[in-house]
This record gives sequence, structure tokens and C-alpha cells, in this order.
Amino acid sequence: SQTIHQWPATLVQPVGSPLSLECTVEGTSNPNLYWYRQAAGRGLQLLFYSVGIGQISSEVPQNLSASRPQDRQFILSSKKLLLSDSGFYLCAWSLTSGGINEQFFGPGTRLTVL
Amino acid sequence: KQEVTQIPAALSVPEGENLVLNCSFTDSAIYNLQWFRQDPGKGLTSLLLIQSSQREQTSGRLNASLDKSSGRSTLYIAASQPGDSATYLCAADTGRRALTFGSGTRLQVQP
Repeated sequence: SQTIHQWPATLVQPVGSPLSLECTVEGTSNPNLYWYRQAAGRGLQLLFYSVGIGQISSEVPQNLSASRPQDRQFILSSKKLLLSDSGFYLCAWSLTSGGINEQFFGPGTRLTVL
Repeated sequence: KQEVTQIPAALSVPEGENLVLNCSFTDSAIYNLQWFRQDPGKGLTSLLLIQSSQREQTSGRLNASLDKSSGRSTLYIAASQPGDSATYLCAADTGRRALTFGSGTRLQVQP
């Protein structure tokens, strides 16, 4: 069966510091990968998605970036965090088959920027 | 642009009641609609996915329906239990990779 891991689970960082969040998927090959952010009182917002190694699409322009160095690894980064980057970051994967794109989510990373 | 709305935002019911959560979407050209459960501080758990060609899906005490023409989906929970307490999110897949999420319904089932 497939599993998805995210770390760290929680993170407290000062404004202006760098960020690296990691997501890995086990038990599948060539998945679609996604980074979402869930801010307090707001819905989930898609940040990035990837359909293959080195292929990243950005949905929202901001000071975050994403990379996919391996098939089942997705990394969310920032060079300098802003207060507004605080939130709950969720990684997800899917396999598109017959028009179905069912997405499965990881446990999330709670980021607090002070 | 697809917009997804969930009503009510919060719901409190006594244990044992049957209940319905509502989800509406503005663009009927969807591929699928997916229902999720989120416990506080946790990730999302996929509950049901309804393909655009289907009208409903069932899993245990859960039944989700889809009416594309009216832009509505409902999640029916039978014989609710305290363990069902969570936030329920619906999300529409319009074929653009990203899911468009509603803001969720926070359900509290009282023992």
C-alpha cells in the first residue's frame, strides 16, 4: 500500500530564516505531487504541483519554491520566511487513471513564523 | 473560476442522528468530486470520490451523492457517533490538477 510522509511535523522559525519541508511517497511510481497550504480560517490553497522529476508548476506567485529531485520526493523551500507564510502545509499525491485524479494527503507540517 | 461552498460551517448533533452535509460548486464541468475528513491538527483523509458519471458512492455509514446539473453534492452520515466529530471538506476536480476545496463543515457529535 502507499504511504506519504512529511517532516518535520511542526516548525517554529523567525522571520527572514530559510525553510525546507520534505515530503516522500512510498509504494507507488511516478505520482503527481502537490503542496497545499491551509491558513487559519481559510480553505486549502494549492501552491505547487509536479507531474514528474524536475517538472514543477506554480499556482501562486510568492517567496516559496518547490523542487522534485527524485520521483517520490517533493521539497518546499524558502530563502526568507515572511510572517504570512505561517500555516499548515500539506503534501498530497495522486495517480491519474482514466480521468480519475484521487488525491491522498500526508499528515502535514505546522509552520509558525515569528 | 470554480468556487466551492459548504453549508453549514458548523453543525452539532446528538449521537445517533442521521445528518447531511452540503457542498455546492459553481462550474458543473467537473471530473470528480471528493469528500475528505480532517481531524484537528491532522492531514486529510479521503472518504469518497464520485466520478462525474456517477450519482452516488457509499462506504459504510457514509453516502455521497452528486448532481452536476444543479452543482450540488451531499454527504449523508447515518447513525452518527462521537468518533465522527471532525471537519468535512469537499473538493471539486476540474481537470486542472488542483482540487478546489470548500471551507469545510465542522461537525460535533455529542455523546
